[in-house]
Amino acid sequence: GAVVSQHPSRVICKSGTSVKIECRSLDFQATTMFWYRQFPKQSLMLMATSNEGSKATYEQGVEKDKFLINHASLTLSTLTVTSAHPEDSSFYICSAPGQSSSYNSPLHFGNGTRLTVT
Amino acid sequence: AQKVTQAQTEISVVEKEDVTLDCVYETRDTTYYLFWYKQPPSGELVFLIRRNSFDEQNEISGRYSWNFQKSTSSFNFTITASQVVDSAVYFCALSLGSGTYKYIFGTGTRLKVLA
Repeated sequence: GAVVSQHPSRVICKSGTSVKIECRSLDFQATTMFWYRQFPKQSLMLMATSNEGSKATYEQGVEKDKFLINHASLTLSTLTVTSAHPEDSSFYICSAPGQSSSYNSPLHFGNGTRLTVT
Repeated sequence: AQKVTQAQTEISVVEKEDVTLDCVYETRDTTYYLFWYKQPPSGELVFLIRRNSFDEQNEISGRYSWNFQKSTSSFNFTITASQVVDSAVYFCALSLGSGTYKYIFGTGTRLKVLA
């Protein structure tokens, strides 16, 4: 159980275009999802918390107009990188808590999306 | 402030050797949770273990074992008789028990198990 699916797994886009990444909870509902960014050989940095039915909460230093997050349903959150630039190239990974309502339930991660902006 | 330190950037071992990955954390909270995740080359993070701050019992799961010591703020991970399939980046993470899922990840340790 607790499978998180992320799509696409890889995307290459031209500078100035926008890219949408989808994160779905397949067998459970997720009122909250988390978007992380990982630079090569580095740790995961939390970008934002996606809340179903309300605005996302962004971490300090993350441009909310650059990284648009929409959590339209209990099973889907999307991250749109707008007007992408080469420095946005990175590995983006989403996660959601499992079915347990407890805050100590582990996060389940998607397979990640490797974005390359040319 | 909360922080997780994984001082070992990369470790290489020969198959069948035992290896220990270190994790040291900092927090002023009395209630917190510690996790280990495995990130194989494919990229996904695989949950390995969760431990809460009130449970200092060590745990063994097959070839994996974890040593949690609050006195030294450490949560070390040992792989016994390592295998090539264990090659991955391993992340230690801390989350607070105050109604948040926010994780603080260490920088990860890249483990290479050579045949």
